[in-house]
Amino acid sequence: QQQVKQSPQSLIVQKGGISIINCAYENTAFDYFPWYQQFPGKGPALLIAIRPDVSEKKEGRFTISFNKSAKQFSLHIMDSQPGDSATYFCAASIGSSNTGKLIFGQGTTLQVKP
Amino acid sequence: DAGITQSPRHKVTETGTPVTLRCHQTENHRYMYWYRQDPGHGLRLIHYSYGVKDTDKGEVSDGYSVSRSKTEDFLLTLESATSSQTSVYFCAISAGDRGGYTFGSGTRLTVV
Repeated sequence: QQQVKQSPQSLIVQKGGISIINCAYENTAFDYFPWYQQFPGKGPALLIAIRPDVSEKKEGRFTISFNKSAKQFSLHIMDSQPGDSATYFCAASIGSSNTGKLIFGQGTTLQVKP
Repeated sequence: DAGITQSPRHKVTETGTPVTLRCHQTENHRYMYWYRQDPGHGLRLIHYSYGVKDTDKGEVSDGYSVSRSKTEDFLLTLESATSSQTSVYFCAISAGDRGGYTFGSGTRLTVV
């Protein structure tokens, strides 16, 4: 039962490049799609989130693109920096964002080379 | 991490022994969650709580039980630890206005 599938598993990008991580979901009832960033030895931290009534959301160098018909969403990191090296998780939930159980993707380990 | 602490941070235990992990929050949030993180599987929900004494199962609840007698504390118990329960365990609380969760720093559990 893999309701949220994430790819790639790992990604290497040069400094200044664009990092792209993709997620696909199955349950059309999902209505909240966050991305989390995790550094080694730390818990995941909320990075950015989107609801299906918009197709794109941007916060600084981080952008979520959302395609409702394809049931896909992606994270774009512009001008990637070595400090962005971390594991990224997409997730999805139903109902209120404060109460809905989050279903996570498998994670993507990003390495940004100087 | 923003009013949520997990204890212990690391634990090594023997197969067949009971283990209890603790999550403590100072945010007075109603919802609390236990996840386990394993390579290739991401984060999987074990149990969650939507209030004092109100808990429910997640997708990987077999072999685990939880209790919440106070708003601030959510305990995860492995009744009889097995090697398959070697993992990193994260507690999370609802994050308020921005939505999503706030995670603790995790407990690394090794069952030998």
